[in-house]
Amino acid sequence: GENVEQHPSTLSVQEGDSAVIKCTYSDSASNYFPWYKQELGKGPQLIIDIRSNVGEKKDQRIAVTLNKTAKHFSLHITETQPEDSAVYFCAASPYNFNKFYFGSGTKLNVKP
Amino acid sequence: EPEVTQTPSHQVTQMGQEVILRCVPISNHLYFYWYRQILGQKVEFLVSFYNNEISEKSEIFDDQFSVERPDGSNFTLKIRSTKLEDSAMYFCAITSGTFPYNEQFFGPGTRLTVL
Repeated sequence: GENVEQHPSTLSVQEGDSAVIKCTYSDSASNYFPWYKQELGKGPQLIIDIRSNVGEKKDQRIAVTLNKTAKHFSLHITETQPEDSAVYFCAASPYNFNKFYFGSGTKLNVKP
Repeated sequence: EPEVTQTPSHQVTQMGQEVILRCVPISNHLYFYWYRQILGQKVEFLVSFYNNEISEKSEIFDDQFSVERPDGSNFTLKIRSTKLEDSAMYFCAITSGTFPYNEQFFGPGTRLTVL
């Protein structure tokens, strides 16, 4: 089955700096890659996703890039703010309505 | 974004007892999922449920687990005889059922503690 690896496990940045979280996947059949933000005591919240037919997607301060050849995708957060502090999970899915395979999570701490 | 609620938020039970975790989507959806997250570990898929049938299940989802949608609205996960290692956060997720089909929206979770 699919195996998703995520790095780093923790990331500390100064407010205003950029943060980058990277994930790799093993199954070339995976074609959907969501990113979730999980705040303490809450469920994962979908923040951005990308499908295998595009290489990059942006939504305000958040962007995701995908390299299908290398089987890796990354989350980029620019101009970080303290409210960006949370655990971020990447995931991969091979086809519609299918289960997600999650990475192990990155705890992002944005220092004011 | 579809809204999902889960009850209870925290369940404490004794080993060997049965527990039922509930998921309530605010609007009608076809696809449901249960995931669990043991403290400090990855979110893991348990089961997917479509059109009142199990669509797929993981090796974690053994005979101790069952799912159903008893009243056409609530979606439940039952653990018949809980074990210590069942202690985890359990998340329900739904798919909107409309194109592009992939997006899954998660509930806030139920923290299950087995003593």
